Parts: sequence; structure tokens; C-alpha cells
Amino acid sequence: DTAVSQTPKYLVTQMGNDKSIKCEQNLGHDTMYWYKQDSKKFLKIMFSYNNKELIINETVPNRFSPKSPDKAHLNLHINSLELGDSAVYFCASSQDLPGLNTEAFFGQGTRLTVV
Amino acid sequence: GQQVMQIPQYQHVQEGEDFTTYCNSSTTLSNIQWYKQRPGGHPVFLIQLVKSGEVKKQKRLTFQFGEAKKNSSLHITATQTTDVGTYFCAGRVTGFQKLVFGTGTRLLVSP
Repeated sequence: DTAVSQTPKYLVTQMGNDKSIKCEQNLGHDTMYWYKQDSKKFLKIMFSYNNKELIINETVPNRFSPKSPDKAHLNLHINSLELGDSAVYFCASSQDLPGLNTEAFFGQGTRLTVV
Repeated sequence: GQQVMQIPQYQHVQEGEDFTTYCNSSTTLSNIQWYKQRPGGHPVFLIQLVKSGEVKKQKRLTFQFGEAKKNSSLHITATQTTDVGTYFCAGRVTGFQKLVFGTGTRLLVSP
């Protein structure tokens, strides 16, 4: 069973289109994240949700809109795609309890290519 | 904003040589984590350090957390080709559900 699964794995689309990436975790974690990894491999946090509530928005353009229908799901919708949005997007989850390992579990990533 | 830098950005070693990557945060961290990302893969958790000055070992890997809880290091003894990948440190700021990743060190090991 995959702990954190995201779909699709690959996404090729034209500039100006709107697309969504879905993420689901079956670990029972309270916190979920979206990270963007660019061509230089930098992993930059975009959003963090805790129990369906947005707690971190790292100055991401408002073309990016996360949605968490329940604490096991965190989807990412992107409007008016631009060339600079091309990257690998990772979903992750963690359980933030004091004194415990707060490791993040990552999905397989979605490679988005905007042409 | 919080920044976590790693050096070197890239290192190419011969199998059997040692390797070290260093991680420096602009702010004090509640804990530091290390992840490994194989080429084409996703980051996978290796270890977490919480206490000031803490040292942990996993076989050939030695992890250290600085006294001021602002820096960390990962040392690999006698590298193997299976060690190839990008190593990230990640810092968690106290009170925030935010895990900030370092810039990463890409390791290439030649047989």
C-alpha cells in the first residue's frame, strides 16, 4: 500500500491551461505539504495544511490554490499555467507530535512540463 | 525568511572515499532531519536529531547536530555506488508546521 500517492505522475500541458494534481495519504497524518522542486533540485515549500486548515502559504502566486477536502487529501489546482511552473511537485505528510519522529513521507512526485 | 544552506552543492568521489555534507540554518531549529533522494526518485527520510550536540550513526553514516542547533553534518565513510543521490537536511522551526529543506548536496560515486 502506497503511503502518500499523487496523480498524475507526468503532466504536459500548454501555457494558459488550468490543471490539478491530487494527493492522498493513508498514514493518518494531520499535516500535509506541497513542495516544488526546480531544475536545480531545490525543494521549496509552497503550502502546509494541518487538519484541513491552511497554516503556511509561502508567497506562492494566487494562481496556485490548494484544497483539502479532508485531512487525508490535499489537492493542488493551478490556473493559467506559465513556463516557469515547470517543475516536479511533491506532496508530503507528517504527524507533528512533540517528542516523536516528525519525518515527512513524500509522494512519488508529479513532473509538470508547460510548453 | 528562514534559509538552510548546504555545502558542497556537488561532490564526485571514488568508491571507498569518505564524504561529508554540511548544513547551516539562519535560525535555531527544534530538530534537524536528513533525507536522501535517488535520481528520479522522491526524498526519503534517513534520521532526525533533536538534542544540541547529538550524534547518531547508521552503519556507515554519521549525523551530527551542532551545539547551537543551527548546523548539522552528514558523514559517509567508505562510500559505495549505492550512496549516489542528493542529500538534503531539513529543519523544523519550533511551533511551526513547517519543514524547510536545505539546498541539497548531490553525491556521485564512481566505481
